[in-house]
Amino acid sequence: DTGVSQDPRHKITKRGQNVTFRCDPISEHNRLYWYRQTLGQGPEFLTYFQNEAQLEKSRLLSDRFSAERPKGSFSTLEIQRTEQGDSAMYLCASSTAGDRTSSYEQYFGPGTRLTVT
Amino acid sequence: KQEVTQIPAALSVPEGENLVLNCSFTDSAIYNLQWFRQDPGKGLTSLLLIQSSQREQTSGRLNASLDKSSGRSTLYIAASQPGDSATYLCAVKDQAGTALIFGKGTTLSVSS
Repeated sequence: DTGVSQDPRHKITKRGQNVTFRCDPISEHNRLYWYRQTLGQGPEFLTYFQNEAQLEKSRLLSDRFSAERPKGSFSTLEIQRTEQGDSAMYLCASSTAGDRTSSYEQYFGPGTRLTVT
Repeated sequence: KQEVTQIPAALSVPEGENLVLNCSFTDSAIYNLQWFRQDPGKGLTSLLLIQSSQREQTSGRLNASLDKSSGRSTLYIAASQPGDSATYLCAVKDQAGTALIFGKGTTLSVSS
């Protein structure tokens, strides 16, 4: 399977703990995006990388959130000192970019469901 | 600031019916528009992508149209089946932006 994969699929943690999620994009895709989705809402953009460079961060990404893509392949999203309001589905997507023929079509992974108790 | 609205929020139809889902956006300066399907508790599956220069795209029983000047897109589903039951999300990529901006979705239920 060459789609976007995410790990873990589910995470339950206690308030105040740190959590880290991983995303593996489609191998030839140089752009990687993180979104957050709460119940009954559409996904909201958090941040994106082009290769290893983090080029844009949403105001939703508080200083407790940090994302990395160290070698331009997989990415991690860490949440420090989790709060109950962080409970959501965290979605990763990838796309191509950078040439005239790119459609920028985003392909999404299955998501990581975070529950903070 | 771009805003995406989807109407209706929920829709129930009997099997076999043709149906239309609506999506509207406030800023016509878009690069493309994507329709996604999301099953409960799952990720998003891309259904159709329409570039800003295109008027429609088709895949099987699905047809998506785009009227950029009026800020509207429709997703037409022909001969609906119970397996089509899911939430359908519309998202736009602005010309100036990178991220997709999503509507809240339309939850479709097809009864047999």
